[in-house]
This record gives sequence, structure tokens and C-alpha cells, in this order.
Amino acid sequence: ETGVTQTPRHLVMGMTNKKSLKCEQHLGHNAMYWYKQSAKKPLELMFVYSLEERVENNSVPSRFSPECPNSSHLFLHLHTLQPEDSALYLCASSQELGRARETQYFGPGTRLLVL
Amino acid sequence: AQSVAQPEDQVNVAEGNPLTVKCTYSVSGNPYLFWYVQYPNRGLQFLLKYITGDNLVKGSYGFEAEFNKSQTSFHLKKPSALVSDSALYFCAVRDIGNTGFQKLVFGTGTRFLVSP
Repeated sequence: ETGVTQTPRHLVMGMTNKKSLKCEQHLGHNAMYWYKQSAKKPLELMFVYSLEERVENNSVPSRFSPECPNSSHLFLHLHTLQPEDSALYLCASSQELGRARETQYFGPGTRLLVL
Repeated sequence: AQSVAQPEDQVNVAEGNPLTVKCTYSVSGNPYLFWYVQYPNRGLQFLLKYITGDNLVKGSYGFEAEFNKSQTSFHLKKPSALVSDSALYFCAVRDIGNTGFQKLVFGTGTRFLVSP
């Protein structure tokens, strides 16, 4: 798991707080992803970046704001979240975005609890 | 849109018994299928993938999966399960996103518990 790292691993925040999740990949990949994992539900793709350009925003509420300053780093800025946003947030990366056979590599996730 | 189904929420087996985690797919065109495993408090780890070629795909940690086109299945297998194989297993299929890029669509996951 050292290929993709995420911080913090756990986060508790109130609904009025502002916090950020950080992801860093050490694999030299060009594409990065944010997923939301909730209990009993399939993984939900939130955002996709390719070479620092956002290529997908999967109908995610504006209280989630991604940022990709370079191809190695990805942030997810959080503000005025709701309790139903509590979940495991996973970051992933892949070498390229356009090839069907690409494998995505995941970080350990940030467990978020919104009170 | 492409999709996968994992019909079992949880499977329990005794150590040493075979491990089988079921996955069926629904795709138009050629399927690109993946298996990932998630251990407690960890992210998803890639196990194996089917792109083309041999229907039996061998992956990490002794896992393998058999692609069956007639049954539209891609079941994950391991001949002899270990207690350490207890985890959440996800099947995934390649799909096309809204803006034309390649993305993964995941199943709901199957929790596999191996007892000593």
C-alpha cells in the first residue's frame, strides 16, 4: 500500500467544519480518482483527474471540492457536510486514463465521520 | 451500461476448504473484468484481471478466476482457503464514463470468512 497514501486515516468533523483529505501516489501515474465507500453499497466514483485536469464529476454535491495540483497529489476539500456523508473515502491511481486494460491502485482510505 | 453482480453478501468456510466468490457480468462487447480484495481497515488491493486470452486467470496470493462467456461469469477461486483470506472481495467491470473515459464499475462485495 505504500504506492498510494492517504491522510488522515480517520477524521471526525462537525457539519460546520472545513477539512481536507490528501492523497499522494508514488507510482508515476497520470490518472487519479476519488471514490466513496458506504456500507452495503457499491463503490461510488466521485471524481476523476487525468494529468491534473478533471474529466469526471459524477453528480457530486458541491460541498465536496476536489483539487489536483499535480499528477502525484489529489485533495478532497470538505465543507458543511451532512451525517450521510460519513463513509470511507478511497483514492486510486492508474497509469493512464484511456486504456481499457488499465489497473487502478488504491490507497488505504480515510474513514470520515460527520457528527 | 456495464454491470456486475455478486449474489452472495457473505460466505463462510473452514480453513483448508476451497474458496469461491461468485460474480456475473452484463456487458455489451468484450468484457474487461477485475477482482479486488479489501482487508479490514485497508484499501482495495488488486488481485487479477481478465482482458483477453486464456479463460483461467492467475493472480496474486494464489487466487485465480475463470472467465465463462456462456454463463457470463467470472468467479474467483482459491484451492485452499486460509484464515488470513477473510476479507471483502469486489468484482469490477470496465465501463465508459459520461465524458468517454474508461472507468470501473464495482459490485456490492462479498464478505468471505474463513474459520480455523
